[in-house]
Amino acid sequence: EPEVTQTPSHQVTQMGQEVILRCVPISNHLYFYWYRQILGQKVEFLVSFYNNEISEKSEIFDDQFSVERPDGSNFTLKIRSTKLEDSAMYFCASSEQLANYGYTFGSGTRLTVV
Amino acid sequence: AQTVTQSQPEMSVQEAETVTLSCTYDTSESDYYLFWYKQPPSRQMILVIRQEAYKQQNATENRFSVNFQKAAKSFSLKISDSQLGDAAMYFCAYRRRNTGTASKLTFGTGTRLQVTL
Repeated sequence: EPEVTQTPSHQVTQMGQEVILRCVPISNHLYFYWYRQILGQKVEFLVSFYNNEISEKSEIFDDQFSVERPDGSNFTLKIRSTKLEDSAMYFCASSEQLANYGYTFGSGTRLTVV
Repeated sequence: AQTVTQSQPEMSVQEAETVTLSCTYDTSESDYYLFWYKQPPSRQMILVIRQEAYKQQNATENRFSVNFQKAAKSFSLKISDSQLGDAAMYFCAYRRRNTGTASKLTFGTGTRLQVTL
């Protein structure tokens, strides 16, 4: 079964550093998403991406965050100048065009900011 | 804005028994999708079951079924013949019908299910 792949599985970074979280969506999917889950809390939407541009973003997704699809396969989330409160599990997901099915989520990247 | 509420932070069920997890939601839309996701200790999000709001028939996937009450905005998950592997966090989620843009999932706060011998 096709998978969404996320790397790394765990990243530790110092406060103020930049991190890039990487995702390889399912190859025929056209919609891409990032979600965040702070430990013990609910999963929160960050951003959706389609046709090489942001479709929607939440209030969490401020200027500190950016997304990019640098080539035909990768989808990245960059966090500039990380803060302690950015520590969370970050999930990438993808979905087919207009499929209206639940997304396929990746297994997540656990980001720890120290 | 849409909201999803799961009022049971934790539930427990004995192996082979049946358990029902509750979910209510609030929306002004008439056409949308509802989902239950399972999150085991590995933290991966796994789709369990989905329901289309325009379908009156309740969705069923093997031991998992839903009770969808559109007027009451209620969407509960029933797990029959519970197994140890069902132990996980369960999230209810809402998504409005895709209108050509990538619509987000709105999640509830989750219910932690314990399965005992």
